[in-house]
Amino acid sequence: KQEVTQIPAALSVPEGENLVLNCSFTDSAIYNLQWFRQDPGKGLTSLLLIQSSQREQTSGRLNASLDKSSGRSTLYIAASQPGDSATYLCAVNQAGTALIFGKGTTLSVSS
Amino acid sequence: EAGVAQSPRYKIIEKRQSVAFWCNPISGHATLYWYQQILGQGPKLLIQFQNNGVVDDSQLPKDRFSAERLKGVDSTLKIQPAKLEDSAVYLCASSSRDRTVYEQYFGPGTRLTVT
Repeated sequence: KQEVTQIPAALSVPEGENLVLNCSFTDSAIYNLQWFRQDPGKGLTSLLLIQSSQREQTSGRLNASLDKSSGRSTLYIAASQPGDSATYLCAVNQAGTALIFGKGTTLSVSS
Repeated sequence: EAGVAQSPRYKIIEKRQSVAFWCNPISGHATLYWYQQILGQGPKLLIQFQNNGVVDDSQLPKDRFSAERLKGVDSTLKIQPAKLEDSAVYLCASSSRDRTVYEQYFGPGTRLTVT
């Protein structure tokens, strides 16, 4: 049974810091890994999707890497801003199946 | 391109009452998912549809939850009767097999409070 773990559960940093969020999964036979952002009381916004054949994806200040064999992914956020404060969720799936999510990392960036 | 639409956005009911949620996926997306997100947890699948057929409902509490997707487009999720532990955000998502990416797109969710 696939399990997804995210560390740390919460993180507080001052504005401008570079930071790394970690995600691990128990079954390396995945098709996609997605990183989402969730603001309080809101739905999920997809940030990055990495297919199993890829090693990383980048979007603006965000970079996500995937090491499928070790069951790990990291989300790197450069030069953090107060607007980055949110919960970040990692999820994996097989082709065409439902996503299995971690519990998320709640990020707070202070100005 | 319009995103996934859900309604209502918020609902407060008493236990043992019934409630229904509606979802309209992105146009052309054959696969539709309903997830339940309890406070402090990641979303968990309730049911997955491919067109109007059920692919996976293994985690749906079938004694009280039901879902349908008529004509392979809109979907409704119903709870009857509701329990206190059903308080959660109900998220609808859709995906397409285009380009074999299977990326899922989520709606804004319905926040249910059962008192």
